[in-house]
Amino acid sequence: GAGVSQSPSNKVTEKGKDVELRCDPISGHTALYWYRQSLGQGLEFLIYFQGNSAPDKSGLPSDRFSAERTGGSVSTLTIQRTQQEDSAVYLCASSFLLITYEQYFGPGTRLTVT
Amino acid sequence: QQQVKQSPQSLIVQKGGISIINCAYENTAFDYFPWYQQFPGKGPALLIAIRPDVSEKKEGRFTISFNKSAKQFSLHIMDSQPGDSATYFCAASSNSGGSNYKLTFGKGTLLTVNP
Repeated sequence: GAGVSQSPSNKVTEKGKDVELRCDPISGHTALYWYRQSLGQGLEFLIYFQGNSAPDKSGLPSDRFSAERTGGSVSTLTIQRTQQEDSAVYLCASSFLLITYEQYFGPGTRLTVT
Repeated sequence: QQQVKQSPQSLIVQKGGISIINCAYENTAFDYFPWYQQFPGKGPALLIAIRPDVSEKKEGRFTISFNKSAKQFSLHIMDSQPGDSATYFCAASSNSGGSNYKLTFGKGTLLTVNP
């Protein structure tokens, strides 16, 4: 079946612009996670969604970062007023948490802020 | 505070040899320990995972060894192949205290298997 998909695969933006990154989880997966992968920080958790519960935003690095999940499926990560330190690969993962702890990752969006 | 420490940073093994990557954790609430394999330009792919109620889990050429008292776990790749050349990440998670099984990753090990 189809895995987690993310778009765009690459995004180059100017400092100060806003960007939106999209994640389509595996169909039926109730949990959705966003992670960031950078050379300096490695892989780090950003935000978590599970069903209709309030999201866990504890990993968001600043208030310029926000995310939403519509209809329990697609999620969008928004970064406002991008900075050069936001350059990284943004990864989305989904899981059927009621059954298993396994998280399956998408291919990521490589964000470059110039 | 780095909660999952992974070593070595890089590893070179000959084809047919055994690759061993080690991880240590600090948070005793962790109860799920997966390993991920990542090729350049791709997302991490789940390789194998273990819960703390067992000391070893084997899937094909991949084995996780788990030592709860030492808070350590390791990945062994038997009969390593050039196609195994990738970056490997250990991770840990729990649902304790509302952690929601978010993954805490090690820094990664770049494995090169020479033909």
